[in-house]
Amino acid sequence: AQSVTQLDSHVSVSEGTPVLLRCNYSSSYSPSLFWYVQHPNKGLQLLLKYTSAATLVKGINGFEAEFKKSETSFHLTKPSAHMSDAAEYFCVVTPPEGTTDSWGKFQFGAGTQVVVTP
Amino acid sequence: DVKVTQSSRYLVKRTGEKVFLECVQDMDHENMFWYRQDPGLGLRLIYFSYDVKMKEKGDIPEGYSVSREKKERFSLILESASTNQTSMYLCASSPGASGWTQYFGPGTRLLVL
Repeated sequence: AQSVTQLDSHVSVSEGTPVLLRCNYSSSYSPSLFWYVQHPNKGLQLLLKYTSAATLVKGINGFEAEFKKSETSFHLTKPSAHMSDAAEYFCVVTPPEGTTDSWGKFQFGAGTQVVVTP
Repeated sequence: DVKVTQSSRYLVKRTGEKVFLECVQDMDHENMFWYRQDPGLGLRLIYFSYDVKMKEKGDIPEGYSVSREKKERFSLILESASTNQTSMYLCASSPGASGWTQYFGPGTRLLVL
């Protein structure tokens, strides 16, 4: 069984300040983890993914996330927010690629809405 | 780049109508998925398909059916639309056993009156 909790439904940051989006997961095995971003009226775009290699994962647009097994967390960060970062962000947990199921059932968090103020 | 396209961006239907949502991917992916997205609930899986003519129920299949006659195309069918099916519908595809990253289409916003 697996689940994912995004600890903040809304985050407001000023342009140029750091962004932190928090994600905790629960899984009966060592999972794969993803962050997706959804801009208004658009589909979801992959930001980054963790699949049991390096625990610090770098993604697109300056985002990165760190897998912490002891804390069962996969928080997303960016050093300096840009206006274009205003969007909804989803944390996703799935069984590790290549194991058990052959298709990887995604369990989505409820999402975090990010507002960036000038 | 992987491209996933959906037949409509916006759709307005009446209660009781039969509704077809189409999704096409161009990367020869094995797996395809239909989700619905509602505020505060994230994405919930309706159905997925891991091969042509193969399908599995997701978390909320009631009121929906699917069809996959060709590898690149996955259709979602609302047999008799109801107002509680007003939502955003997202299609996704993934390679399969060689990779589980899902690639999403732009979504169809469906309003049932």
